[in-house]
Amino acid sequence: EVQLVESGGALVQPGGSLRLSCAASGFSFNQHFMIWVRQAPGKGLEWVALINQDGSEELYADSVRGRFTISRDNAKSSLYLQMNSLRGDDTALYYCARGLGWLPGSWGQGSLVTVSS
Amino acid sequence: EIVLTQSPGTLSLSPGERATLSCRASQSVARNYLHWFQQKPGQSPRLLIYNVINRATGIPDRFSGSGSGTNFTLTISSLDPGDFAMYYCHQSALSPLTFGGGTRVEI
Repeated sequence: EVQLVESGGALVQPGGSLRLSCAASGFSFNQHFMIWVRQAPGKGLEWVALINQDGSEELYADSVRGRFTISRDNAKSSLYLQMNSLRGDDTALYYCARGLGWLPGSWGQGSLVTVSS
Repeated sequence: EIVLTQSPGTLSLSPGERATLSCRASQSVARNYLHWFQQKPGQSPRLLIYNVINRATGIPDRFSGSGSGTNFTLTISSLDPGDFAMYYCHQSALSPLTFGGGTRVEI
């Protein structure tokens, strides 16, 4: 069974940094694209970033490019999202997803990031 | 960027009725990489339909997808009480990946 467990969400001040982690199990992690998607409170879904199987290709939404970095450790079956220069509009539940190609096929339960002073 | 516009915003129906949800893309979605998700309150999104017409594992056959180019439809043939939820379309053909704004199916 595919399991994705996000962690690292917290309350952080504007301008601060945070790193989210996603622990994956139940599938061959190194064979899949991995994806971050976020959802602001009461709002819709927004794609954030994706990374290919060996970490050599990264894509970002315009809203986070230059501030967020996606990475992975295949030896640990883990996905990361380093978030810098956080803003109020980054407040959201951040989901980790296993890619079917670029399609987020299986999702974790999410990790809440709140940016506020 | 491919903008996905879903309509209607809210669909008010009764159990047993047919639901038809629309997703219109601002440009043609290549390779039919248009998908549908269901999200219930407090839960993560669940993949329903991928590549326009294919049901994901475990999805009942009352859910079906159709369309091509810029116009796509999710149909629920007979609403079950558990189907009242938010539905999002999504394209993974072109970066940035995008989602529609969602359709709420309510009783």
